[in-house]
Amino acid sequence: AQKITQTQPGMFVQEKEAVTLDCTYDTSDQSYGLFWYKQPSSGEMIFLIYQGSYDEQNATEGRYSLNFQKARKSANLVISASQLGDSAMYFCAMREVSGGYNKLIFGAGTRLAVHP
Amino acid sequence: DADVTQTPRNRITKTGKRIMLECSQTKGHDRMYWYRQDPGLGLRLIYYSFDVKDINKGEISDGYSVSRQAQAKFSLSLESAIPNQTALYFCATSDLPGLAFETDTQYFGPGTRLTVL
Repeated sequence: AQKITQTQPGMFVQEKEAVTLDCTYDTSDQSYGLFWYKQPSSGEMIFLIYQGSYDEQNATEGRYSLNFQKARKSANLVISASQLGDSAMYFCAMREVSGGYNKLIFGAGTRLAVHP
Repeated sequence: DADVTQTPRNRITKTGKRIMLECSQTKGHDRMYWYRQDPGLGLRLIYYSFDVKDINKGEISDGYSVSRQAQAKFSLSLESAIPNQTALYFCATSDLPGLAFETDTQYFGPGTRLTVL
């Protein structure tokens, strides 16, 4: 079975610094996708960034980048120039193909606190 | 206006009551999903539907049922609520994949916080 592991229950970073949130995954599929979502205290789930298993370049979206190391099965999220509004829960997720259907499986999340 | 809406946003109910959570979307997506979130466990899939005639169980479907009334509407029911169904419930939608290795990113509603006493 596929699995997502986020080993950091909580992280903190100083405002304007960069932070890396770890995510490792386990799959035997050749084709898969990895996603990061942000959940602020208000509760909604906000899509941040996507990386396909065959993408040769690391994905970037503004201040977010995904450090994809396929051989290590890791897909770490890097947030540059942290802002106070980045304080939230962050979830890594992987697309799973089961019975011909695509589904997402989620990690347990990492709570990020940005300090002024 | 939000693309994915959920009603109600908060609900407190008693053990044994029947509860329906509703989800509507204006994104035009065919695929819809229901998840629950418990502290420390991330999100877990309850049911998913890839079109109006297609309903599938997720990993934790026991105690729940769903109805896909239209492409834009997907409802989750708790026939007889119990306290361990207290959680944050999310509806999500995604489009049909295009080319191989496409994203089919899921977009989430704001969530419904359900408390079963």
